[in-house]
Amino acid sequence: KQEVTQIPAALSVPEGENLVLNCSFTDSAIYNLQWFRQDPGKGLTSLLLIQSSQREQTSGRLNASLDKSSGRSTLYIAASQPGDSATYLCAPEVGNMLTFGGGTRLMVKP
Amino acid sequence: ETGVTQSPTHLIKTRGQQVTLRCSSQSGHNTVSWYQQALGQGPQFIFQYYREEENGRGNFPPRFSGLQFPNYSSELNVNALELDDSALYLCASSSAGQGITGELFFGEGSRLTVL
Repeated sequence: KQEVTQIPAALSVPEGENLVLNCSFTDSAIYNLQWFRQDPGKGLTSLLLIQSSQREQTSGRLNASLDKSSGRSTLYIAASQPGDSATYLCAPEVGNMLTFGGGTRLMVKP
Repeated sequence: ETGVTQSPTHLIKTRGQQVTLRCSSQSGHNTVSWYQQALGQGPQFIFQYYREEENGRGNFPPRFSGLQFPNYSSELNVNALELDDSALYLCASSSAGQGITGELFFGEGSRLTVL
């Protein structure tokens, strides 16, 4: 059974800082891994999808890396802004099922 | 292009009742997945429908059931509601094949409260 852990659970930083959010998973036989953002009480927004054959993906200020063999993924946020405040969730896919971590709750202060 | 839409957005039921939640998938997507998200936790996979057939199921009892229609919209039905069923129910669609989900696009969810 896939288990996903996200560290830290919560993070509060001043605007402008570069951030690293960590995700670890126990079953390395994944098809891909997605990172999502969730605002309070809302649905999830897909940020980045990394295929199992890829090492990283970039979108704007976001960069996600994947080390399948060690069961780790990292989301890097450059030059954080207050609008980045949200919960960030990672979800590796094994056999058409995504397993989510508990998320990292990020607060970026002006 | 229309995104994933869910209805109703909020509803309140009492223990023992039944509920039906509805989802319209994003245009061009043939796969719908349902997730349950309890407060403060990550979403948990309920099941997935691909071309009107159940295509994988998580660790949920049979009183959680679903349907997918020819237009790829979907319903989630929960019978004999329990207090622990109170959660945000999320629908997501994708356009990948039968054995893989691929990039998921989520709706805003249906918030169910069971009293």
